[in-house]
Amino acid sequence: AQSVTQPDIHITVSEGASLELRCNYSYGATPYLFWYVQSPGQGLQLLLKYFSGDTLVQGIKGFEAEFKRSQSSFNLRKPSVHWSDAAEYFCAVGPTSGTYKYIFGTGTRLKVLA
Amino acid sequence: GAGVSQSPSNKVTEKGKDVELRCDPISGHTALYWYRQRLGQGLEFLIYFQGNSAPDKSGLPSDRFSAERTGESVSTLTIQRTQQEDSAVYLCASSSLAAGEQYFGPGTRLTVT
Repeated sequence: AQSVTQPDIHITVSEGASLELRCNYSYGATPYLFWYVQSPGQGLQLLLKYFSGDTLVQGIKGFEAEFKRSQSSFNLRKPSVHWSDAAEYFCAVGPTSGTYKYIFGTGTRLKVLA
Repeated sequence: GAGVSQSPSNKVTEKGKDVELRCDPISGHTALYWYRQRLGQGLEFLIYFQGNSAPDKSGLPSDRFSAERTGESVSTLTIQRTQQEDSAVYLCASSSLAAGEQYFGPGTRLTVT
């Protein structure tokens, strides 16, 4: 069955430090992969997506992610974190086979120390 | 409109009452999704509409939950005889392609007392 795993529930980094949020997926074919960010009290905003082609994708707000088929991973990275990046981050895969459903990970909550 | 809108933003209801949540998708988006997000949890798929096709209701947790959408416009999610476990944020998303990225509304926070 298709699934998405975000192994880190909480991550704390200092402002200016680098960031990597992990995402592993289980999917029968080449997936469409997404990272979304949810600020407190807000809906989800798309950071970046991977459909095909270059495995390193650039997104908004200085984020990037790399698709690694051999590791079934799509980790999100940022070289220097800003205090405004504190939020919850969701990895998603879809659409799942035979349907148009997307599967979301349980999220990683990022805290940024000044 | 500029984005997906949802109303109300907050709803407090008594156990056993019915509630109706509304979602206005981005104009022209053929796909519309409803999700439930319990406190501290990820997104739980509820239902999906694509154009005039039959909706995918496989995520609805019980027959107390139903949703409608007229064409490619507004959708309503109805919860009958609400229970405390229905307390959550209900998120709506729309998409211009069946396999494209989703644009989310701000959500409706439902509290059942």
